[in-house]
Amino acid sequence: EVQLLESGGGLVQPGGSLRLSCAASGFIFSSSVMSWVRQAPGKGLEWVSTISGTSGSTDYADSVKGRFTISRDTSKNMLYLQMNSLRAEDTAIYYCAKGRFYALDAFDIWGQGTMATVSS
Amino acid sequence: EIVLTQSPGTLSLSPGERATLSCRASQSVSSSYLAWYQHKPGQAPRLLIYGASSRATGISDRFSGSVSERDFSLTISSLEPEDFAVYYCQQYGRSPWTFGQGTKVEIK
Repeated sequence: EVQLLESGGGLVQPGGSLRLSCAASGFIFSSSVMSWVRQAPGKGLEWVSTISGTSGSTDYADSVKGRFTISRDTSKNMLYLQMNSLRAEDTAIYYCAKGRFYALDAFDIWGQGTMATVSS
Repeated sequence: EIVLTQSPGTLSLSPGERATLSCRASQSVSSSYLAWYQHKPGQAPRLLIYGASSRATGISDRFSGSVSERDFSLTISSLEPEDFAVYYCQQYGRSPWTFGQGTKVEIK
């Protein structure tokens, strides 16, 4: 079964850090484009970051550039999002998502999400 | 940045009725790199349509997508109880990849 399972969310103070993880199974992780998408409370979906399957090139939304780092460990089928210098506006459910086939493609598999709350 | 504007914000319909959701792009979307997702509270979003008009694996043929220049539409031919949810369009042709603000389809 194709599956994504996020973990690592929690409560952190402004300026703090969190590392989110996403365990992938049921598909060829090493060649898949993987992304993080978030949803703030009461808001819509917002793309956060993407990492390519082959070159490992990365891309970020302006709102997180310089603070968040996406990475992957293909030996463990794991995707990560290191979040530093967190702000209240980063409070959201964070979903990991798999690109369908190509470098530019829709997200065909999503995890259930993990909640990150930034508050003092 | 490509801004996607969805309308209406909320659609109140009864089971069996036809739903038409719109998504207008502020700029041309390359090669119709436009997707539609269904999202229910507490669940993962689900891909319905990619490439503006292709149904994703396992998606009912009640769902169809179309495009006319910068205007995209998602049609649900006859609403089933499980179709009441929030629907998002998304463009993935140019970074930053952007989502519309969503259309809630609620039971009338």
